[in-house]
Amino acid sequence: SQQGEEDPQALSIQEGENATMNCSYKTSINNLQWYRQNSGRGLVHLILIRSNEREKHSGRLRVTLDTSKKSSSLLITASRAADTASYFCATDAHTDKLIFGTGTRLQVFP
Amino acid sequence: DSGVTQTPKHLITATGQRVTLRCSPRSGDLSVYWYQQSLDQGLQFLIQYYNGEERAKGNILERFSAQQFPDLHSELNLSSLELGDSALYFCASSLGIQETQYFGPGTRLLVL
Repeated sequence: SQQGEEDPQALSIQEGENATMNCSYKTSINNLQWYRQNSGRGLVHLILIRSNEREKHSGRLRVTLDTSKKSSSLLITASRAADTASYFCATDAHTDKLIFGTGTRLQVFP
Repeated sequence: DSGVTQTPKHLITATGQRVTLRCSPRSGDLSVYWYQQSLDQGLQFLIQYYNGEERAKGNILERFSAQQFPDLHSELNLSSLELGDSALYFCASSLGIQETQYFGPGTRLLVL
């Protein structure tokens, strides 16, 4: 079963705009991770945020975590065509395995 | 490039057959994970090994088995294949447990 659900399912924006994706999950966690997947390829790890952290930055990425609402958001600023991909959140639910959400498909138009 | 390698890249086989997927983790990583990605089920965790021992099991069918060898590479064996087993199979590795997982490029399995 899916632990996380991303919203929106799909998002289309122009280059230069910001893209925001949200993830909700069901059980408490140790950490939450965001991954990117280009069509049919492997997943690329973007960022890990621990349950005691509220915000984390990495380059043009900003991740927030609200454990009281069991939700996280991923913001990509000044998007580029190369950011076109599917984005997944993954949680650990206090286990070793990752449970992935359903993903947000982001399309950035030049 | 994550440092995780998977072979083969593509596999086409028939129902009822058996295949073996291979994964080499990043240098130094002790944990290996297997995931299945299909259109209808999304990304599903199958099984995890840590330093040669099975550590966690997910939605892995009894027809599937895996192992991690002393050199830490891992193999996922899929037998009595069915059409529904067609999917992308990913291997990931991490240094320890509950650490960032690094994914390989995947093996695309097509069962005809």
